Amino acid sequence: QKEVEQDPGPLSVPEGAIVSLNCTYSNSAFQYFMWYRQYSRKGPELLMYTYSSGNKEDGRFTAQVDKSSKYISLFIRDSQPSDSATYLCAMNKYGTSYGKLTFGQGTILTVHP
Amino acid sequence: EADIYQTPRYLVIGTGKKITLECSQTMGHDKMYWYQQDPGMELHLIHYSYGVNSTEKGDLSSESTVSRIRTEHFPLTLESARPSHTSQYLCASSELASGRVTEAFFGQGTRLTVV
Repeated sequence: QKEVEQDPGPLSVPEGAIVSLNCTYSNSAFQYFMWYRQYSRKGPELLMYTYSSGNKEDGRFTAQVDKSSKYISLFIRDSQPSDSATYLCAMNKYGTSYGKLTFGQGTILTVHP
Repeated sequence: EADIYQTPRYLVIGTGKKITLECSQTMGHDKMYWYQQDPGMELHLIHYSYGVNSTEKGDLSSESTVSRIRTEHFPLTLESARPSHTSQYLCASSELASGRVTEAFFGQGTRLTVV
């Protein structure tokens, strides 16, 4: 069983839609949770990170963590065509370096005009 | 924009050849990583380094080897390439920081095809 599960999609939405991306995990040792965005033929870039249950907002993006359910989400409001990319959830365990990450499979998102 | 560079971006090579994938970063980061990403699959950590002369194997077993002779340079070598090594290889780095979360910066990746 994978430690991190993410629906690969693909997900196709119209411009302006609210997008919800989700991951579940099985290992309670995970303490830090991140969302990376990966454009085609590029490396992943960090969008948001959080280390506690609750919500964290940054512009049109909101990251949500529910440690009791081992469930994390990323919401994108007012989605734009430029948001079209693969979104990867990632997490790591307390006491390990922040580059030692366990990734989900990634969700391919397309926002069409 | 992250200052971490990988070369080549694309490589097609025959079975049995020795190859080295280059990764360099100009951020002075102590920690560097190599991830492998098959199409449609998650990234898996195959090697990491906490500093010069430090290398460790990651969660996913790999026939590749790495070296860290200089802080900024973390090359990955395959002594004898096989079709099963066909994948995308991503290099990353992060700084050594205690008490706060620091992000890992990724290079653009090397897409390797072994024929």
